[in-house]
Formats: sequence, structure tokens, C-alpha cells
Amino acid sequence: DAGVIQSPRHEVTEMGQEVTLRCKPISGHNSLFWYRQTMMRGLELLIYFNNNVPIDDSGMPEDRFSAKMPNASFSTLKIQPSEPRDSAVYFCASSDLGHPRRDQPQHFGDGTRLSIL
Amino acid sequence: SQQGEEDPQALSIQEGENATMNCSYKTSINNLQWYRQNSGRGLVHLILIRSNEREKHSGRLRVTLDTSKKSSSLLITASRAADTASYFCATDGSGGYNKLIFGAGTRLAVHP
Repeated sequence: DAGVIQSPRHEVTEMGQEVTLRCKPISGHNSLFWYRQTMMRGLELLIYFNNNVPIDDSGMPEDRFSAKMPNASFSTLKIQPSEPRDSAVYFCASSDLGHPRRDQPQHFGDGTRLSIL
Repeated sequence: SQQGEEDPQALSIQEGENATMNCSYKTSINNLQWYRQNSGRGLVHLILIRSNEREKHSGRLRVTLDTSKKSSSLLITASRAADTASYFCATDGSGGYNKLIFGAGTRLAVHP
């Protein structure tokens, strides 16, 4: 079965440009998470969707970041305008939570390595 | 702030040896999970242990949980070069859903 698919795998762009990261969760999973991983801060949760609805966006750094989930099979994370400090690896994960149970593993994509010059 | 903190930060061993990694956390939990991350890849779920469980096995993995000490350990027996990766513990936070808080990880290097 296909796992979580993220695109692009690598993105290099100049500061000020808009960046869009994409994620296709595992079919049938109803929860989707966006994380950011850096050496300094480790793995941080940015936003959580349940049934396509944003439930917790308290980890989104600032208004330059936005995330959408227009349907159960697609989500985007957008940064506009981008800054060098946004450089990181961004992961998408999905989970099967019929109701917000607390014992389901999260399945991660391989991430997007973002470099803002 | 991170809920789980792994110890040691890095571990280097020879193939065939056992590897033990520890995780400490701060608040009460419902479950604790361990994940592995190979270089350049996403995290892969290894094992979940619930707060009412003390020990769990999966193949060469053994996880223990001591809720009184707020700590967990991951033991990999008879390690292989393919076990080289970073290992993270994750605890469910207080978000009311499956919100995981990850530790900083232990980097394990297994030398042939």
C-alpha cells in the first residue's frame, strides 16, 4: 500500500518567494499532521487536521504560514513570503483516528527538505 | 518545550551488541511511542506502550515503561548495521487528541 506521499522532496528558493508543500495522506486516514524538523528545535507539530478541519494550529509560527486540506486526500502547507529561518525539513503524517483515540501510530512521509537562500 | 528527552544523545556500538536508549517525560501520559528515523527519511513507528503496561516486545525490540519515574527504555538486542538510525520517543500531549510530543532523539550507530 502507498504510504504518505509528499512533494517536492527538495525545494530551494530565494527569500521572499512563495513556497507550497504538498501531502497525500494514506487512504482512509482521517487525521493529518504537519511537522517541521530542525537541528535546533527538533520535531515540532505545526498543525493538525481531523476530517479535513483544522483542529490545532497553535504550532504555526506566524501568519506567513498557512495550511489547507480541501479534501481527504490532499493537503498543502504554504509559506508566503519565505525567509531563511524557514529552512527545515517539513513532514506530513497521517493517522487513523475514528474518534480522537490516543493509541494510534502516525505514519510519516519522507519529508520536503526546504532551503531558503 | 519537548515532553520526552532521550538519553544518550548518541550511541556507538558494534554489531551483535545490545543498544539501550532511555526516555524521560514530564507529565502524565496515556501512551508512549518509539519511532525510528533513517537518514533522509521520515519517522517510522516501532512500538506503542500504554500507561497501564510495563513491558512490551516486538521482535528484537523490548520497551519498558515506569510511570512512577516517568521514564521508558528501548532495548535493541543483537544489533545490526541496518539498525543505524535516530530513535525518538513520543508521548501524547494534553491536546485531547493524538497529539504527540517528540524528544530530541538518540543517534545510534552500529558498526559492522
